[in-house]
Amino acid sequence: GAGVSQSPSNKVTEKGKDVELRCDPISGHTALYWYRQSLGQGLEFLIYFQGNSAPDKSGLPSDRFSAERTGGSVSTLTIQRTQQEDSAVYLCASSPGLLVHNEQFFGPGTRLTVL
Amino acid sequence: TQLLEQSPQFLSIQEGENLTVYCNSSSVFSSLQWYRQEPGEGPVLLVTVVTGGEVKKLKRLTFQFGDARKDSSLHITAAQPGDTGLYLCAGLVGGKLIFGQGTELSVKP
Repeated sequence: GAGVSQSPSNKVTEKGKDVELRCDPISGHTALYWYRQSLGQGLEFLIYFQGNSAPDKSGLPSDRFSAERTGGSVSTLTIQRTQQEDSAVYLCASSPGLLVHNEQFFGPGTRLTVL
Repeated sequence: TQLLEQSPQFLSIQEGENLTVYCNSSSVFSSLQWYRQEPGEGPVLLVTVVTGGEVKKLKRLTFQFGDARKDSSLHITAAQPGDTGLYLCAGLVGGKLIFGQGTELSVKP
């Protein structure tokens, strides 16, 4: 596709349920990033993939959060036993991995609401 | 922990006015990027500044990187309603992008 796509665009779930968020990066981009953004705030780094491996998981807020990437392309972010404080917009970005200054291309995000 | 402080957090101005947004840190960055984000969309890269003291212009937007590569500013001349959005700075350190908390700009016609 032309850009990074994310699905679903909106997700409303009940506290305690598990959710899966999907990211399709730009074709050929080797690096993939997940961020969390609270209303009107900056971006909180969650995890970074280079290919299928995750060299940096330092931003995952708890062990309820996990992510995987298969085939060096699609990535899923899973949140288990969701809590109300997990409500936020989850943004995915990809990068060719060859850009010296790590410029990133973002998807539109998934707005997660935990009731 | 590297932190990027952006100021102001909120800015509401009239069309035609000038404004400056600041991005400050105690850390030195390899480079610094500015993004703009509109509601319901992801951030879009505006510019990357690399060299200390560098100035880049993008139409009515002027970006400057501090001499010590610890701070940056974004100046908008004759703001227009289409400039409304969240402006984010992001510094590159150790291969990782660190984002500021953003400046919410509203330009009223």
